[in-house]
Amino acid sequence: SQQGEEDPQALSIQEGENATMNCSYKTSINNLQWYRQNSGRGLVHLILIRSNEREKHSGRLRVTLDTSKKSSSLLITASRAADTASYFCATDPMNRDDKIIFGKGTRLHILP
Amino acid sequence: DGGITQSPKYLFRKEGQNVTLSCEQNLNHDAMYWYRQDPGQGLRLIYYSQIVNDFQKGDIAEGYSVSREKKESFPLTVTSAQKNPTAFYLCASSIQARDYGYTFGSGTRLTVV
Repeated sequence: SQQGEEDPQALSIQEGENATMNCSYKTSINNLQWYRQNSGRGLVHLILIRSNEREKHSGRLRVTLDTSKKSSSLLITASRAADTASYFCATDPMNRDDKIIFGKGTRLHILP
Repeated sequence: DGGITQSPKYLFRKEGQNVTLSCEQNLNHDAMYWYRQDPGQGLRLIYYSQIVNDFQKGDIAEGYSVSREKKESFPLTVTSAQKNPTAFYLCASSIQARDYGYTFGSGTRLTVV
């Protein structure tokens, strides 16, 4: 029951550039979350945006949410080598009792 | 420091063998979850528990079993009925996922030999 779908599947950019990843979903949500996963490790929660919010910032991260288009974007500004990881969006659908659904992720590679 | 501990980090299973993956948290979270991650498929929910002594099947529960006898512990058993168990297994917990999201362990990589 895949809900969120990230785009692109993979992204390579030069260090210092901005990275943008998108997430589309299908059903109404309570909130949308973004996670980071370094290779072979667990996921780390980055940011949560509620359905009544349109934009949220955390350090170099900026997340937007457009519920009319059922889409979200994650922007990482001034990328660093340490940002190399997979990024997942996860949606909290209104009919799934606090169980979030993860997309397949975007693999981000920051080139030196 | 509070967190989730998964063990072992690597596990090898012979055909027909049951194996148990450990997940322990000291975050005082009520809810705990088990996910399976395969390359290119994201995370899929196996089982979850929102309270002690209660758990529910997720999207891919066949061939797996769990128990929740203590708030801190949510072990996952991969049984011989799971025909393709080679994967990366992730345990997570939440106090209220709707407000705070999940905290994940560092994972167990299970390989059938």
